Amino acid sequence: GESVGLHLPTLSVQEGDNSIINCAYSNSASDYFIWYKQESGKGPQFIIDIRSNMDKRQGQRVTVLLNKTVKHLSLQIAATQPGDSAVYFCAENGDDKIIFGKGTRLHILP
Amino acid sequence: DAMVIQNPRYQVTQFGKPVTLSCSQTLNHNVMYWYQQKSSQAPKLLFHYYDKDFNNEADTPDNFQSRRPNTSFCFLDIRSPGLGDAAMYLCATSRENGGAFFGQGTRLTVV
Repeated sequence: GESVGLHLPTLSVQEGDNSIINCAYSNSASDYFIWYKQESGKGPQFIIDIRSNMDKRQGQRVTVLLNKTVKHLSLQIAATQPGDSAVYFCAENGDDKIIFGKGTRLHILP
Repeated sequence: DAMVIQNPRYQVTQFGKPVTLSCSQTLNHNVMYWYQQKSSQAPKLLFHYYDKDFNNEADTPDNFQSRRPNTSFCFLDIRSPGLGDAAMYLCATSRENGGAFFGQGTRLTVV
């Protein structure tokens, strides 16, 4: 079975609001996590990553939070824009391979 | 500039006719991956190469094979495509313990 999964299949957010996408993982040995954005008909695009020795990492308008105690990962997108509309996947790199979770579709409301 | 290049973008093949998808990279990454992605699903890892070492996922059908003749190129061979093999096939590369960078994928149609 998959070792990484997501709680919500679809998330609708008002334009300009912040988005929070969640992910649960099951492999406690995983030490590296990545968030990907996938637009229709395209390959997944690397957004941000975090290693297990950190609990927070910030990028441009995005923040990833890692809670190893409960094996939970989240992606926060600030001031959500129409261009953020996509499917977001969390993934883990364990045993030198990258396994994806189920994905959340982010829908932006005007 | 594209760093992971997949050809072709769209491939139509006949049921049972062998087909090969190709991937090349300019990143000099030592790990290369092939994923299968069906509609509204997450990419599913088929196999990956760590340098020349081939690593097959336990649930990857024998119908899927791969070749990596050098660091830059990797091929996915589907020996006898069935209708259930229609999907997007994604190639990705990474450094060891790093994030993967993906190509734009090859959408395979089986007729």
